[in-house]
Amino acid sequence: AQSVTQLDSHVSVSEGTPVLLRCNYSSSYSPSLFWYVQHPNKGLQLLLKYTSAATLVKGINGFEAEFKKSETSFHLTKPSAHMSDAAEYFCVVSDLLAGTASKLTFGTGTRLQVTL
Amino acid sequence: DAGITQSPRHKVTETGTPVTLRCHQTENHRYMYWYRQDPGHGLRLIHYSYGVKDTDKGEVSDGYSVSRSKTEDFLLTLESATSSQTSVYFCAIRGTPELETQYFGPGTRLLVL
Repeated sequence: AQSVTQLDSHVSVSEGTPVLLRCNYSSSYSPSLFWYVQHPNKGLQLLLKYTSAATLVKGINGFEAEFKKSETSFHLTKPSAHMSDAAEYFCVVSDLLAGTASKLTFGTGTRLQVTL
Repeated sequence: DAGITQSPRHKVTETGTPVTLRCHQTENHRYMYWYRQDPGHGLRLIHYSYGVKDTDKGEVSDGYSVSRSKTEDFLLTLESATSSQTSVYFCAIRGTPELETQYFGPGTRLLVL
C-alpha cells in the first residue's frame, strides 16, 4: 500500500517569507500525488497534482511542488506567504482499487500559520 | 465547484440511533466516495461507489453501510451510531477526464452523544 508522511504538523512563517511544507511518499510504482488545502471549517480544495507529465508542478495561488523520485519527496513551496494562506495542507497519494476506482491516501496534515 | 452538496451539514444525535448522510452530485460522475476526517488522521476512506448499486469498502468501513440507487445520490448510513463515529464526513467525486483527481463536498459535522 502507498503512504505519505508529512514531516511537520505545524509550520509558522511571517507574511512575505517563503513557505516550505514537506512530504515524503512511499510507493511501489510511479504514483500520482496531490496537495489539498483546507481553510478553517471549510471543505478541501485541490492545490495541485503530479501525474508524471512534469516534475515541477504549478498550482493555484502561487504554490508549486517538485516531484523528486530519488528522494521520494513532493514538497510544497511558495515564494512569499500571504495571510490568506493560513490553513491546513494535506499531501495525498492516489492508490488503485478494483474496478478502476482510485483511493486517496492522506497525510496527517500540516497546519500553516502566517504571522504579520 | 464540482456540483456536490451534502445534507445535513450539521447533526447531533444520540448513541444507538440510526443516521443517514446524503451526498448529491449534479454532473453524472460515476465514482463517488465517503471519507471521515479526524484530528491526527487526515481523511480516511469509508466506502466508495463505482456505479449505481456498485459499492465497496474502504479502510474504515466497520459500522457503516452505503447505498447508491441512482447516479446522483450516494447515501452513508450509521446503523447504530457510536461516540467513536463523531467526525466530519466528506463526500467526493472523481472528476473526468482527470481520472485520479477527486473533488470534495462541503462536509457534514456529526456529533454522537
